[in-house]
Amino acid sequence: NAGVTQTPKFRVLKTGQSMTLLCAQDMNHEYMYWYRQDPGMGLRLIHYSVGEGTTAKGEVPDGYNVSRLKKQNFLLGLESAAPSQTSVYFCASLRGQGAPWENIQYFGAGTRLSVL
Amino acid sequence: DAKTTQPNSMESNEEEPVHLPCNHSTISGTDYIHWYRQLPSQGPEYVIHGLTSNVNNRMASLAIAEDRKSSTLILHRATLRDAAVYYCILRDVGTYKYIFGTGTRLKVLA
Repeated sequence: NAGVTQTPKFRVLKTGQSMTLLCAQDMNHEYMYWYRQDPGMGLRLIHYSVGEGTTAKGEVPDGYNVSRLKKQNFLLGLESAAPSQTSVYFCASLRGQGAPWENIQYFGAGTRLSVL
Repeated sequence: DAKTTQPNSMESNEEEPVHLPCNHSTISGTDYIHWYRQLPSQGPEYVIHGLTSNVNNRMASLAIAEDRKSSTLILHRATLRDAAVYYCILRDVGTYKYIFGTGTRLKVLA
């Protein structure tokens, strides 16, 4: 059982380039999340999804787009990367159904992105 | 979104109990209190959560104040592997939206 898998693990971009980060979960979870974590800081929510075909904005959505075409995948896109988007990106998923004790977030290992 | 306040850092000696405080004075009746921790160079992992009553699991205990405006995560015997950043988060049961703060960096001394 792989849990939450993020691809790629590392990436270096030049300013203005675009890229897509992939998050895949094999737990049949309804909810998925994208966070960014800057050095020495906590996690900030970028976008999240409450189910296939749905997305919603978090705290810091500007400069990012997301898509949830399949339940198991949540994609984060950077259309025109900027140095301010240098960060570690974490994906998480959550069951979204059942009892409260079943609804905890499971995180991926992160994607370290540098924009030069 | 309701906010939480935690000390930036704490220290503990190995094998001693650790009490990590969290203030959440604007908590609503439907907010669950969650604790996650982040080990160095890893993604956060779940520790414990509760609504009104104190909770225990194999990792820790969660003590919730009667008015729910504060809570304390208790590690009964700190080990070097418990050195991490601990986040106290409120989650509205209706939105499943989590807002992380900056957390408390716990240093465990050998």
